[in-house]
Amino acid sequence: DFVITQSPLSLLVTPGEPASISCRSSQSLLYINGYTYLDWYLQKPGQSPQLLIYLTSNRASGVPDRFSGSGSGTDFTLKISRVEAEDAGVFYCVQSLETPYIFGQGTKLEIK
Amino acid sequence: QVRLVQSGAEVKKPGASVKVSCEASGYTFTDYYMHWVRQVPGQGLEWMGWVNLNSGATDFAPKFQGRVTMTRDTATDTAYMELSRLTSGDTALYYCARDDALQAGTFFDYWGQGTLVTISS
Repeated sequence: DFVITQSPLSLLVTPGEPASISCRSSQSLLYINGYTYLDWYLQKPGQSPQLLIYLTSNRASGVPDRFSGSGSGTDFTLKISRVEAEDAGVFYCVQSLETPYIFGQGTKLEIK
Repeated sequence: QVRLVQSGAEVKKPGASVKVSCEASGYTFTDYYMHWVRQVPGQGLEWMGWVNLNSGATDFAPKFQGRVTMTRDTATDTAYMELSRLTSGDTALYYCARDDALQAGTFFDYWGQGTLVTISS
């Protein structure tokens, strides 16, 4: 199975400041079709997870453009250009290349 | 609008089974897969498996193989997840989440509200 490692596990950020979360896979997530199968979700307190980024860098419908995803192969990054109070929650990356799909441990973002 | 509405909370005894439903609306049911993801209280997300809502084919995480069944009823646009031989370790919030079968990639754009399953003797 894949091993997915996120860092840091927690972040404390001032509104308006940037934030960055790293996600590393034990194996490449590049598929023969040219897509890289890494997605990002945010779970706000008391809510179901919501899709932020799919296939490494594609923002889901309705996701603000302050969220961006990048990376290739085994190393990926989620960036928030200017954190807002509503961004508080736990961010998860997940490899969706092969089953069983594996989520990272989660990164808790707290707002100062 | 797209909605996934799950059945209510359950309390089960160890060794029993639980069946959770996920009723979909607002889209063509059979164009999607339905995945099930669980979350033990205070912990992260764990993928359990998927069911192809058109064909009924399934794929499960090895951890749940032999203990989980995923089905669907296309007449009512409802997906089901049944987990048997429950233990205290199965106490969790269970989510259904849809995945577009016609798109590249596997990602969950809509989620149910979650169903809390508590295992207690």
